[in-house]
Order: sequence, then C-alpha cells, then structure tokens
Amino acid sequence: AQSVSQHNHHVILSEAASLELGCNYSYGGTVNLFWYVQYPGQHLQLLLKYFSGDPLVKGIKGFEAEFIKSKFSFNLRKPSVQWSDTAEYFCAVNAQQAGTALIFGKGTTLSVSS
Amino acid sequence: GAVVSQHPSWVICKSGTSVKIECRSLDFQATTMFWYRQFPKQSLMLMATSNEGSKATYEQGVEKDKFLINHASLTLSTLTVTSAHPEDSSFYICSARGDRYSNQPQHFGDGTRLSIL
Repeated sequence: AQSVSQHNHHVILSEAASLELGCNYSYGGTVNLFWYVQYPGQHLQLLLKYFSGDPLVKGIKGFEAEFIKSKFSFNLRKPSVQWSDTAEYFCAVNAQQAGTALIFGKGTTLSVSS
Repeated sequence: GAVVSQHPSWVICKSGTSVKIECRSLDFQATTMFWYRQFPKQSLMLMATSNEGSKATYEQGVEKDKFLINHASLTLSTLTVTSAHPEDSSFYICSARGDRYSNQPQHFGDGTRLSIL
C-alpha cells in the first residue's frame, strides 16, 4: 500500500519569500504524484501532477515540483510566494495503471503575511 | 471543465436518522468515484472506491452497512450514512475520475459537513 508523508505541518512566510514543501512517499512500484491546494472555504484543486518524463513539473500559479526517484520525494516549490498562496497544500500519490484512489499526506498549512 | 458538484454542503440532523449525500460530475463522465472523510486538521482518509455499475470497494475499517454507496450512473454517486450518530460527524468529500486506470487526476467536490446532534 502507498503512504505519503509531508514534513511540514505549518509554514509561515512573508511575501516574496521562497517556498519548499517536502513530500515523501512509500510504494514499491511506479506511481503518479500530485499536489493539490485547498484555499479557505474551497474544494481541492490540482496544482500539478507527475506521471512520467521530465521529473521537474510546472503547475499553475508559478508552482513547480521535482520528482527524485532515488529519494521517493516530490517536493513543491515556488520562488516567491504571495499572500494569496495562503492555503492548505496536500501531496498525493496513486499507483500507475492500477485504478487506485489517491492517498493523501496530512497536508501543510501555508500562511503568507503581507 | 471537470466540475464535481456535491450536495448538500452542510447538514445537521438528529442521531438515528439517515443522511444522503449526492456527488455529480457535471461536465465529464466519472467512471470511478471516491469518497473521503476529513477530520479537522487532518488529511483526507479514503473510505471507498466505486466504479459505475459495480459494488463499491471499502477501505479497511469502514463499515459498508453504515456507509452505503451507490454509483448507478456515470455522473452520479451517492453516499448514505445510515442511522447516523455523533461520531459520524465529519467532513465528507467526493471525488471523480474519468478513467479506471489512475492516469487522470481526481476532481473534487466542495465537501459536505455533517453534524449529528
């Protein structure tokens, strides 16, 4: 079974600071990797996804993530955060081609002060 | 595109009643739907997976007689919490995917906050 670990529970940054949120997964096979964002009062929205190919994936709103297979990691980054990035961020994984559901990490709350 | 509508968004009811939550994919056919439960300050916990026309597959520890899932069409799944009790109070989120093989993202509804008095 897959599992996902997010290292940071709550991150507090000032605007224009750089962001990196850690995500590690545990699974013996090939996986799809996702980052979702949940703004206050809204549903989960897909930020970016990795299925195969270039391990550096770019998503919406200036976010990117890098898949490092040897480290089982898929960290999320943004060079300069904005106040509007304040939200809950979830890393998720599923097994490729297996039809399985997304398994989520516990989430990281990002608070950006202006 | 890829909108998932969940209804109701909030329900309060007395202990012992049954509550039905609907999940609809508005602009795509949801071959597979998922139901999650989210406790405050915690992650989404998968409850069950359903493929259209098939019985739902429940995760370990989830009572299938308590949480009835029906996925009768490619655009609608329902979760019925039967004889609800205060410990069933939670945030329930549905999710839909257009294929069975994990190669498309899951799209999420807004969730239903269930409060049992």
